[in-house]
Amino acid sequence: AQSVTQPDIHITVSEGASLELRCNYSYGATPYLFWYVQSPGQGLQLLLKYFSGDTLVQGIKGFEAEFKRSQSSFNLRKPSVHWSDAAEYFCAVGARGGGADGLTFGKGTHLIIQP
Amino acid sequence: KAGVTQTPRYLIKTRGQQVTLSCSPISGHRSVSWYQQTPGQGLQFLFEYFSETQRNKGNFPGRFSGRQFSNSRSEMNVSTLELGDSALYLCASSSDQGQLYPEQYFGPGTRLTVT
Repeated sequence: AQSVTQPDIHITVSEGASLELRCNYSYGATPYLFWYVQSPGQGLQLLLKYFSGDTLVQGIKGFEAEFKRSQSSFNLRKPSVHWSDAAEYFCAVGARGGGADGLTFGKGTHLIIQP
Repeated sequence: KAGVTQTPRYLIKTRGQQVTLSCSPISGHRSVSWYQQTPGQGLQFLFEYFSETQRNKGNFPGRFSGRQFSNSRSEMNVSTLELGDSALYLCASSSDQGQLYPEQYFGPGTRLTVT
């Protein structure tokens, strides 16, 4: 069964500073990887996804993520954060075929932006 | 194109009662998945319906059930509510037309409180 670990429960970053949110996954085959963002009282919005090919993927709102198979990681980055980026961020892995086909999510990282 | 809608947005029920939540997917989407989000367990996959058939199921007791109608709208039902069922229930729809992994679009969720 697949699993996702987000080691940082909370991260505080100053506005304008760079950001990196960590995600490690466990899955036996090529994973389908996702980053979602959730603002208070809202559903989940897809930031970006990785299926195959180029290991550096670009997403919406200026976010990017890098897939590193050797480290089983899919870290999310942004060069300069804005106050509106404060939210909960979830990394997820999807498995195709057999058993539960839904997304497996990490526990999330709560991002706080300092003025 | 309208997004995924969920009704009601908020619900308060008493332990032992049953509840039905509704989800209307994006027009043209035939797959609907349900997730439970709690502070302790995070986001967990409940089940997925595709063309009125349950295609996948997560690890939840039989008190949790669902169905999908011919117009792709879906309902989930929880019988004999327990305090631990208090959660945000999220619905996600996808087109699932042969893509590597269909992108899931989430609704705003239904906040269920069991007292």
